[in-house]
Amino acid sequence: QSVLTQPPSASGTPGQRVTISCSGSTSNIGTNIVNWYQQFPGTAPKLLIYSNNQRPSGVPDRFSGSKSGTSASLAISGLQSEDEADYYCAAWDDSLNGPWVFGGGTKLTVL
Amino acid sequence: QVQLVESGGGLVKPGGSLRLSCAASGFSFSDYYMSWIRQAPGKGLEWVSYIGSGGATIYYSDSVKGRFTISRDNAKNSLYLQMNSLRGEDTAVYYCVREVSGWNAHFDHWGQGTLVTVSS
Repeated sequence: QSVLTQPPSASGTPGQRVTISCSGSTSNIGTNIVNWYQQFPGTAPKLLIYSNNQRPSGVPDRFSGSKSGTSASLAISGLQSEDEADYYCAAWDDSLNGPWVFGGGTKLTVL
Repeated sequence: QVQLVESGGGLVKPGGSLRLSCAASGFSFSDYYMSWIRQAPGKGLEWVSYIGSGGATIYYSDSVKGRFTISRDNAKNSLYLQMNSLRGEDTAVYYCVREVSGWNAHFDHWGQGTLVTVSS
């Protein structure tokens, strides 16, 4: 059971906008920044979004992040087939859960 | 460029021990916090342990506390994870991960991972 809650799956067609949610509590998302990681099968995760909404260099601006209260969202606009991957949210946790907690991951399928 | 290369994984019997290593290059290793993060087959990511840049600050997840020991050798640019009393639920790919610390902390570079299988 992950501390942060994500939907197990999401899907969209090419060109669509898709959002993935991440729900937490006051001890993690409500107090600290949220990061997002992208993982393709058989490979290591890669940093996608940090500090709620910042993109590392090289990450397309089709990817965006936001946070409100104890929830966060990852949005992917102009969906492309190569976006099909697993997506994980993560946050620092100030309670006994921590210090780092992850969501269970969302498998994104491009139809 | 930043490189993190894990080694030491393998098959071990329940109750056994294993020591993972991570060789870092391409950055000033002693300036960064480092973590071990694992992923059981077909499952999500689980943070395991964290060590500060100087080695004095250490945290463990409840699932490994008392059994695993994280350490680092800044002179050798290396991170380690000593795993004792291994259980089946410790079976996972273990990633060595660099952390950017501070108010905007995040994991910015990951190794390719090393597989640990605990089975009789």
